Amino acid sequence: EAGVTQFPSHSVIEKGQTVTLRCDPISGHDNLYWYRRVMGKEIKFLLHFVKESKQDESGMPNNRFLAERTGGTYSTLKVQPAELEDSGVYFCASSQLPGAGTGELFFGEGSRLTVL
Amino acid sequence: EDKVVQSPLSLVVHEGDTVTLNCSYEVTNFRSLLWYKQEKKAPTFLFMLTSSGIEKKSGRLSSILDKKELFSILNITATQTGDSAVYLCAVVGGTSYGKLTFGQGTILTVHP
Repeated sequence: EAGVTQFPSHSVIEKGQTVTLRCDPISGHDNLYWYRRVMGKEIKFLLHFVKESKQDESGMPNNRFLAERTGGTYSTLKVQPAELEDSGVYFCASSQLPGAGTGELFFGEGSRLTVL
Repeated sequence: EDKVVQSPLSLVVHEGDTVTLNCSYEVTNFRSLLWYKQEKKAPTFLFMLTSSGIEKKSGRLSSILDKKELFSILNITATQTGDSAVYLCAVVGGTSYGKLTFGQGTILTVHP
């Protein structure tokens, strides 16, 4: 069974440009999460999808970030325009049952974003 | 705001040593505490703890939760070089099942 896959693994862009990160969850997982780790800080929650609906987007830093999950399968996270402080590793995770209460949250390897 | 503090932030030991990693937390409406191991990229699930005093064990790893004192420990006995990783503690609280609050992690390095 394929795990959570993320693309690209690393992206280097200039300030002001746009980047789109993609996450393919484990097949059949209705719950999809985005997290982010900036340099020297802890991993922080961004948002949670249940199928195509945003269940909780309380962690999204500002309106430069747009997450979508059309059709309830893969998800994209777009940053537009990117700022220096957006640099970090963006993790995607998925789960079958409703969330981390079960412990079964499967993480992808992350997409490293570097904004110059 | 929920908060998780892990200690130590880094630890260097030799193979065969036993290590104890600490995790203290402050969370509204505690649901569970989770431990993850991050070797290279993707964090992988180790344990989920919901009840005080009940030890979870998997091979040389074990963990226990104290909900009164708001902390958890992760023990690794007879460490091996393959145990070298970042160990992450996270809590789930509030009304959102999907929102983990992570600590900064403990970087464990095991030398041969």
